[in-house]
Amino acid sequence: AQKITQTQPGMFVQEKEAVTLDCTYDTSDPSYGLFWYKQPSSGEMIFLIYQGSYDQQNATEGRYSLNFQKARKSANLVISASQLGDSAMYFCAMREPGGDTNAGKSTFGDGTTLTVKP
Amino acid sequence: DTGVSQDPRHKITKRGQNVTFRCDPISEHNRLYWYRQTLGQGPEFLTYFQNEAQLEKSRLLSDRFSAERPKGSFSTLEIQRTEQGDSAMYLCASSLFWQGGKNSPLHFGNGTRLTVT
Repeated sequence: AQKITQTQPGMFVQEKEAVTLDCTYDTSDPSYGLFWYKQPSSGEMIFLIYQGSYDQQNATEGRYSLNFQKARKSANLVISASQLGDSAMYFCAMREPGGDTNAGKSTFGDGTTLTVKP
Repeated sequence: DTGVSQDPRHKITKRGQNVTFRCDPISEHNRLYWYRQTLGQGPEFLTYFQNEAQLEKSRLLSDRFSAERPKGSFSTLEIQRTEQGDSAMYLCASSLFWQGGKNSPLHFGNGTRLTVT
């Protein structure tokens, strides 16, 4: 069974500084995808960034980058130049490969609440 | 891309009543998922459809829960004889088929918040 662990229930960061949100995962599948989602107080889950298990390079999307360390089974999210609008809950998720027998469903961690201070 | 829509946004019901939620996925997405989220936790998988076929249901889901996707488009989630423990946010998500090695994230709706009194 897949498992995602986010050990930081809450994090604070000063505006314009960088912050790292931790995520470790456990799976026996060689093929999987790692995703980060943002959930503001409004409730909508927003996709941020993706890393495939076979990707050689760390993923980047604007101010978001994913520090992927496969041997350590970690996929930390780095947000550079934090903005007030980054204050939200952040979820790490792992998706199993889809196919005839697999749903391709995602398993989520319990999230980290990020607060950006002005 | 009009996004995933869910109806209603909020539902308050008395214990023992039945409730039904609706989800309209992104039209070209053949996969549809239902998740449940309680305060302070991540979404928990409930069930999944590929087109109109329900291919997986969480073992955590009691027999009071049933979901359908009759024509492979919209989906409904029904909870019979609601209990206070059913109070949660029910999220619907859709995606393209994902075999691994492809970026196909889940697209979520805004959810239906259920309160059982």
